[in-house]
Amino acid sequence: KNEVEQSPQNLTAQEGEFITINCSYSVGISALHWLQQHPGGGIVSLFMLSSGKKKHGRLIATINIQEKHSSLHITASHPRDSAVYICAVRGSAGGTSYGKLTFGQGTILTVHP
Amino acid sequence: GAGVSQSPRYKVAKRGQDVALRCDPISGHVSLFWYQQALGQGPEFLTYFQNEAQLDKSGLPSDRFFAERPEGSVSTLKIQRTQQEDSAVYLCASSLALTSGPPNQPQHFGDGTRLSIL
Repeated sequence: KNEVEQSPQNLTAQEGEFITINCSYSVGISALHWLQQHPGGGIVSLFMLSSGKKKHGRLIATINIQEKHSSLHITASHPRDSAVYICAVRGSAGGTSYGKLTFGQGTILTVHP
Repeated sequence: GAGVSQSPRYKVAKRGQDVALRCDPISGHVSLFWYQQALGQGPEFLTYFQNEAQLDKSGLPSDRFFAERPEGSVSTLKIQRTQQEDSAVYLCASSLALTSGPPNQPQHFGDGTRLSIL
């Protein structure tokens, strides 16, 4: 079982729909990242959070530390939101984690006009 | 300002050739990570540098993989005697974070080098 699991793996939506991508993890973490990757490989960091909720524009990220679960929501989705969304966790501070990230397999989002 | 720069963006090599991939991190960033991303998968950790010291190389898949960061800035990932299974996108990320302390420093990613081994 992977340490970081995302669902769904593929998601198709119509423009304007509300979208949710889920991430569950099985290890202790100091932070969780939501990343966006467009074709061509470039990765953009959307959120880094260790508790609660963060909002940026139409994007909302939440995390429940006790349940080891995070969600990324996109309100009023748009075709330009089409990308791969990746959840990644940073190991607990100290030890030998060095802050390296462990990634989920990604969710491919396609938003149709 | 300049972000993390990786070169080349694309590299095609024949099986058995050696390749070198370069990463220019954001100036002043102490931490540098290399990740490997196979097609359709999430990235996987390869190695970590704090300044010039390679503190973790547990993710390197074989002794054909070698990374260095001799002056604590630019890093090079070298793959010797390439194999087809080495085909992937190689991502570099840097951050201000040190090995411990509050997790308040995000990692900044380059666009990656897409390596294809024929």
